[in-house]
Amino acid sequence: GNSVTQMEGPVTLSEEAFLTINCTYTATGYPSLFWYVQYPGEGLQLLLKATKADDKGSNKGFEATYRKETTSFHLEKGSVQVSDSAVYFCALRSGFGNEKLTFGTGTRLTIIP
Amino acid sequence: GAVVSQHPSRVICKSGTSVKIECRSLDFQATTMFWYRQFPKQSLMLMATSNEGSKATYEQGVEKDKFLINHASLTLSTLTVTSAHPEDSSFYICSAREVRAQDTQYFGPGTRLTVL
Repeated sequence: GNSVTQMEGPVTLSEEAFLTINCTYTATGYPSLFWYVQYPGEGLQLLLKATKADDKGSNKGFEATYRKETTSFHLEKGSVQVSDSAVYFCALRSGFGNEKLTFGTGTRLTIIP
Repeated sequence: GAVVSQHPSRVICKSGTSVKIECRSLDFQATTMFWYRQFPKQSLMLMATSNEGSKATYEQGVEKDKFLINHASLTLSTLTVTSAHPEDSSFYICSAREVRAQDTQYFGPGTRLTVL
């Protein structure tokens, strides 16, 4: 079955530090990969996605590259801000027409000034 | 952007009672809504998928008679936890898929249920 393994948190970084949150997956077929972010008191929001191998998703300075050979979709940002403090979820959806999302456990990120 | 609301945000009830949680898409029509459950420090687990006007599809291991889902309109789905027990205490999250944007789910802020 499908599964997502995500870097355990919490992660605390200083402002302007480089961020990496690791995510690896197991899936049949050709999954689409997602990163969702949940800010305090709000619902999950789609941060970025990639639908095929070697695609790079990017948004708000965050990037993640779909690596089929390593079954990974690590989230990176070059310089984090306090406003990036949130919980980040890696997720996959396997195949076209399959609407189910499989989530990782989430990583809580705290950025300190 | 598309907004999904949930009501209530928190509820505390006595064991044996039933609790209804509403999920609304505020500015779009949702043919499909999803209900998830999240345990502390664990991922979101899909409980069921509901399509407007038809019966919900439940994931394996989820009791249909305990978690009643109704999706009566394109903007509202409800989850009723019947005869709640302390083990039903959890964070329940809904999401909605817009008719015109089939690739994207919009999530509600979640409902914290505590059963005493």
